Amino acid sequence: ETGVTQSPTHLIKTRGQQVTLRCSSQSGHNTVSWYQQALGQGPQFIFQYYREEENGRGNFPPRFSGLQFPNYSSELNVNALELDDSALYLCASSWGGGANTGELFFGEGSRLTVL
Amino acid sequence: AQSVTQPDIHITVSEGASLELRCNYSYGATPYLFWYVQSPGQGLQLLLKYFSGDTLVQGIKGFEAEFKRSQSSFNLRKPSVHWSDAAEYFCAVGATYNTDKLIFGTGTRLQVFP
Repeated sequence: ETGVTQSPTHLIKTRGQQVTLRCSSQSGHNTVSWYQQALGQGPQFIFQYYREEENGRGNFPPRFSGLQFPNYSSELNVNALELDDSALYLCASSWGGGANTGELFFGEGSRLTVL
Repeated sequence: AQSVTQPDIHITVSEGASLELRCNYSYGATPYLFWYVQSPGQGLQLLLKYFSGDTLVQGIKGFEAEFKRSQSSFNLRKPSVHWSDAAEYFCAVGATYNTDKLIFGTGTRLQVFP
């Protein structure tokens, strides 16, 4: 059983650029949730994808968007990067679109630095 | 509004000592409550969760937590801390309509001295 994997692990961008982060969900999981963890803070829910559809969104602007593919992997895209977007981006997979056990399996994250 | 408060930013204990990490929540309905641990270079890992039933919940690695509705608390405890328990601990509350949509506290960093 493979766990949740994220890529890249680290990246540096400049303000105004765009970034794509990738996540492979754990085997058998059909739901992916994305979280943003700023330095010294707890993770904040960005959005969730279930069966290739957005299934809930947190308080993030539309320049944060995502996709889920038929194999349940997912991408997080951020356009027009701002300095405050610097953070650790966490992907978590689960089964059932949030209606079940409530156990999320997290990846190690992608650390984004915006200069 | 839903929120989670972890009053202690940093706690230091000696190995073998007991541990209690505090968590208070604000939620309109019956909460779904979680404790996660984040170690350097590792993803967040679920320690335990409370949905309903017995208010004392047992988790992995010898941790337990007690749900106290009257105090809106869900404190994490361990009777004897090991050096490997040094990590960041997060309390979270989940929405009943989507238990994957978690609201996390700001975390408590645990340091363990030998």
